[in-house]
Amino acid sequence: EIVLTQSPATLSLSPGERATLSCRASQSVGSYLAWYQQKPGQAPRLLIYDVSNRATGIPARFSGSGSGTDFSLTVSSLEPEDFAVYFCQQRTNRALSFGGGTKVELK
Amino acid sequence: QVQLVESGGGVVQPGGSLRLSCAASGFTFSTCGMHWVRQAPGKGLEWLGVIASHGNLGYYADSVKGRFTISRDNPTNTLYLQIDSLRAEDTAVYYCAKERGHDSWNFDLWGRGTLVAVSS
Repeated sequence: EIVLTQSPATLSLSPGERATLSCRASQSVGSYLAWYQQKPGQAPRLLIYDVSNRATGIPARFSGSGSGTDFSLTVSSLEPEDFAVYFCQQRTNRALSFGGGTKVELK
Repeated sequence: QVQLVESGGGVVQPGGSLRLSCAASGFTFSTCGMHWVRQAPGKGLEWLGVIASHGNLGYYADSVKGRFTISRDNPTNTLYLQIDSLRAEDTAVYYCAKERGHDSWNFDLWGRGTLVAVSS
C-alpha cells in the first residue's frame, strides 16, 4: 500500500499570502496524483487531477506540480474561502489512498 | 440536477449489518465507475472500494475486504454498499463518489454523505 504523507499538518496564513502544501508518496505514483479541498460539514471537492490539471470551475490561483514521489499544491494568493483542509490522493495498482490532510487556517 | 444522494445510515449495534444506497441523477450513471469513501469523525478520508460501470468488476481496500460489498443497479441509477459484521471503528460518514473520467479514479462529484454510528 502506498502511503501519502502531507506536510505541514497545519498552515497558518493570512488572506493574500501564498500557500504551498506538500504531499510525499512512499513510492512512485507516476502522474496519478489529485488534490481535494474540504470545508467543515461538506464533502471534498476536486481541485487538481493528474498532478497539474485543474478541475472544472477551479480558479487559476490553484496549481499543482511534482512527479514521482514529491508533489505540491500552491494557492498563489489566499482568498477567504480557501481556508479549509486539503487532501492529496493517489491511485496505483487498483488501490487508492489519501494523505492525512493539511489544514490551512487563518492566522 | 447533477447529484449523488446517500441514504441508509444510522445507529447500528456491533456485529450488525447495513446497506447504504447512493442515488445518482443528472448524468449517465451507467458509464461511470463509482467509489465509496468514508471519514471517521475528525479524521481523514479512507477509500473503501470501487465498482466498474457495468458492475462486473470491483476492487476493495484491504481493510474492508470480505466485510464490504459494493454493487450497483444501472436501470435505477443506484449504487450500494453492504457492510457486514459492523465494528466500532466503522463509525464514519460514508460518501459515494463519481469518477471524473473513464478509469480516472479521481472524483469530480461527491454526495453529502450518510452517517453510520456503531454503538451498543
